[in-house]
Amino acid sequence: RKEVEQDPGPFNVPEGATVAFNCTYSNSASQSFFWYRQDCRKEPKLLMSVYSSGNEDGRFTAQLNRASQYISLLIRDSKLSDSATYLCVVNKQAGTALIFGKGTTLSVSS
Amino acid sequence: DVKVTQSSRYLVKRTGEKVFLECVQDMDHENMFWYRQDPGLGLRLIYFSYDVKMKEKGDIPEGYSVSREKKERFSLILESASTNQTSMYLCASSLGTGNSPLHFGNGTRLTVT
Repeated sequence: RKEVEQDPGPFNVPEGATVAFNCTYSNSASQSFFWYRQDCRKEPKLLMSVYSSGNEDGRFTAQLNRASQYISLLIRDSKLSDSATYLCVVNKQAGTALIFGKGTTLSVSS
Repeated sequence: DVKVTQSSRYLVKRTGEKVFLECVQDMDHENMFWYRQDPGLGLRLIYFSYDVKMKEKGDIPEGYSVSREKKERFSLILESASTNQTSMYLCASSLGTGNSPLHFGNGTRLTVT
């Protein structure tokens, strides 16, 4: 099983749609979870951290399921500006470097 | 705002050359990282450092070395550049706590001919 695995997509959705991405991770000792966003030819930027109880930031909701070892990102009311690649990020175990998934590409059209 | 600065945006080098990629952060972060990003392979960790003069191998350290003589600066060295090291190189930093996110520089696109 890969350390961090994501569906590469692309996900093509119309404006206003709700879209969800999942990510699975292999190490049950992982403690830190993040979603990053990367625009074409740009560096990744932190979108949001993922907490055990789940968390929300505006139109974005992140969930963590430790039992099944996956995290999810839900985007409601998609905007054209949400078009990007979304990277799932997990640490191998407490205190070590972060491992990135290969990313899921989202394209929002009008 | 955290600022991570990479010395070059684009770099072209010849096979066999020794290449230095420099990265500086201004937020007194303990941790610094070097990743490379290639189409279809995503971001892969080359080396990281938790403190001055400390270094740890990542997933793909072969052909690379690093130097961290000062807290704010982390250098990636390609001892003898090869064409398969053509890639986008991304430097990042984070606080010393385990749950700290990474802050990236804007990358160096290296072409080895």
